[in-house]
Amino acid sequence: KQEVTQIPAALSVPEGENLVLNCSFTDSAIYNLQWFRQDPGKGLTSLLLIQSSQREQTSGRLNASLDKSSGRSTLYIAASQPGDSATYLCAASGGSYIPTFGRGTSLIVHP
Amino acid sequence: DVKVTQSSRYLVKRTGEKVFLECVQDMDHENMFWYRQDPGLGLRLIYFSYDVKMKEKGDIPEGYSVSREKKERFSLILESASTNQTSMYLCASHTPGSQPSAGYTFGSGTRLTVV
Repeated sequence: KQEVTQIPAALSVPEGENLVLNCSFTDSAIYNLQWFRQDPGKGLTSLLLIQSSQREQTSGRLNASLDKSSGRSTLYIAASQPGDSATYLCAASGGSYIPTFGRGTSLIVHP
Repeated sequence: DVKVTQSSRYLVKRTGEKVFLECVQDMDHENMFWYRQDPGLGLRLIYFSYDVKMKEKGDIPEGYSVSREKKERFSLILESASTNQTSMYLCASHTPGSQPSAGYTFGSGTRLTVV
């Protein structure tokens, strides 16, 4: 059964830092990996989707990489801002399209 | 952009009531999911559906049922609400592929309180 782990569980940084959030998964036979952002009391907002054949995806200050062989994905946030404060979740999906979610990294960016 | 709409943001119901949570997506997606999210437990899959009138149990289906009479609508039903079903409920729609709309799209969630 797929297991997804996110490290660290929580992170507090000053504004302007470059950040790396980690996501590891136990079964490398994934179809895709998706990163989400969740604000308190809200639903999940998709940030980046990486197909199994891709190595990385970029959107603005966000870059996500995927290394299937090592079972890892990283989300890189450049020049962090207070508005980036949220919980970040990753989800790995196999051929059944049922995602397995990590518990998330709670990020606080203080001015 | 794909939109997934959950009918209520906040809901308060009494123990024993039958509760309907509605979810509608506007992109003709075949796959739809219901999750609940609780502190310390993460997201847990309740039910999912790959097509109209199809439904599959997820990890925690007890106390819940679902209905999918039309492709765009996936309803979660609490047959007799209990206080341990107080939670945040999240609906998601999914399409495979690599186009911009691919992957999972979530609704804004329904915070259900059972008193």
